Amino acid sequence: EDQVTQSPEALRLQEGESSSLNCSYTVSGLRGLFWYRQDPGKGPEFLFTLYSAGEEKEKERLKATLTKKESFLHITAPKPEDSATYLCAVQPGETSGSRLTFGEGTQLTVNP
Amino acid sequence: EPEVTQTPSHQVTQMGQEVILRCVPISNHLYFYWYRQILGQKVEFLVSFYNNEISEKSEIFDDQFSVERPDGSNFTLKIRSTKLEDSAMYFCASRAGPSGSTGIQYFGAGTRLSVL
Repeated sequence: EDQVTQSPEALRLQEGESSSLNCSYTVSGLRGLFWYRQDPGKGPEFLFTLYSAGEEKEKERLKATLTKKESFLHITAPKPEDSATYLCAVQPGETSGSRLTFGEGTQLTVNP
Repeated sequence: EPEVTQTPSHQVTQMGQEVILRCVPISNHLYFYWYRQILGQKVEFLVSFYNNEISEKSEIFDDQFSVERPDGSNFTLKIRSTKLEDSAMYFCASRAGPSGSTGIQYFGAGTRLSVL
């Protein structure tokens, strides 16, 4: 069974204080690992897709990396508008329907 | 920018009633999904739909649930007889094609279903 574990559950940072979020996963043949951002009462908003170990993607203050067992979302010099819940999801390689299995998320708060 | 549209944003119903949640996926997308998120819990997969048939479903998606693409633009989730535990946020998602750069699933804003 696919499993995704995210840590920490909640993270509070000061504006400009860089940090990393972790996503550990077990999956049958990873097809892709996805990072989404979710604001309260809204749907997940796509950030990154990673497909193979060693891959990295960047967007503004965010950088996602992938190993064979985990992924990190690095946040450099965050701003208050980066406050949200960050979700990690995996897509197994053996299914026909390409379902996503999500973790519980990390709730990030960035204080000014 | 194209987006997935869901209606209504909030649906209140009595236990035992039928509800239909509606979604308009991104135009030209071929794969459609429903997920749900119970308050304070993680997003859970319900069902995937391609070429007018279900391609995968989870254990949650029992006989009380059904999906339909009644025309070229809408994708619906029907719950035949709602239960209290069906109260959740329901998200529709769509993607363009096979995995790869087009394998990204784009989500709608959700429908909050409250079963009383």
